[in-house]
Amino acid sequence: EVQLVESGGGLVQPGGSLRLSCAASGFTFSSYSMNWVRQAPGKGLEWVSYISSSSSTIYYADSVKGRFTISRDNAKNSLYLQMNSLRDEDTAVYYCARGPEPTAYWGQGTLVTVSS
Amino acid sequence: EIVMTQSPATLSVSPGERATLSCRASQSVSSNLAWYQQKPGQAPRLLIYGASTRATGIPARFSGSGSGTEFTLTISSLQSEDFAVYYCQQYNNWPPGTFGGGTKVEIK
Repeated sequence: EVQLVESGGGLVQPGGSLRLSCAASGFTFSSYSMNWVRQAPGKGLEWVSYISSSSSTIYYADSVKGRFTISRDNAKNSLYLQMNSLRDEDTAVYYCARGPEPTAYWGQGTLVTVSS
Repeated sequence: EIVMTQSPATLSVSPGERATLSCRASQSVSSNLAWYQQKPGQAPRLLIYGASTRATGIPARFSGSGSGTEFTLTISSLQSEDFAVYYCQQYNNWPPGTFGGGTKVEIK
C-alpha cells in the first residue's frame, strides 16, 4: 500500500524558516517524481514544486521561487521542502503527492501557519 | 499559465439526483484533464483522468466528458458520501498543473 506521511509543519513567524518532510513507503520511491501541493485555509489547491525521480529536474511555482527548495533522498525514501522567508500567504496545509500527474497518491498533509 | 474556471461555485442537489459540474480552460488542454474529490480534513482523491477515464475504485456513477477547453463531471445519482468539493486540474501545459477554484456539492 502506498503511503505518504508529511511532517514538520507548525507555527512560524513571518520571515522564518521551516523544513517539511514526506516519508514514502509501499512503492519504489526512487522511480517516481514527487510534488508538493498546498491549500490555504478554506481555499483551493495550489501546486508548489516538482522534483524528478533522480532530482535532475526541479520546478517551482512563481509564488515560492527563490524562497523554497525541494529535495529528496532516495536512500531514505524521503522528500523535503525547505521553506525560507515565509510570508503570511504561505499559511496552508502542505501535501506531498506522488507523480506523475495526475496523482492518485497524496499524503494527509501538514499544516504550516505563518503568523506573528 | 492556463487558468481553469469551475462553475457553479456551489451546487445544491438532493440525494438521488444528477449533478453536473463544469470546468473551462483558458486554452486547449487536449484531454489532459483530471477531476478530484475532497472532503473536509482529507486529501484530494483522484476520480477521473484523461478527461473521461475513471481512476481505480471509482464508482460508475462518476463520469467525465469533454476535450479542448470545456469539460464536465457528472454524478448520475448523488449518494450521501458524494457531498464534497470537486476540483478539476489540467496537466497538459505543466508545470504548473493548475487547478480550478472548486465546486462545492451540498445537500439541498
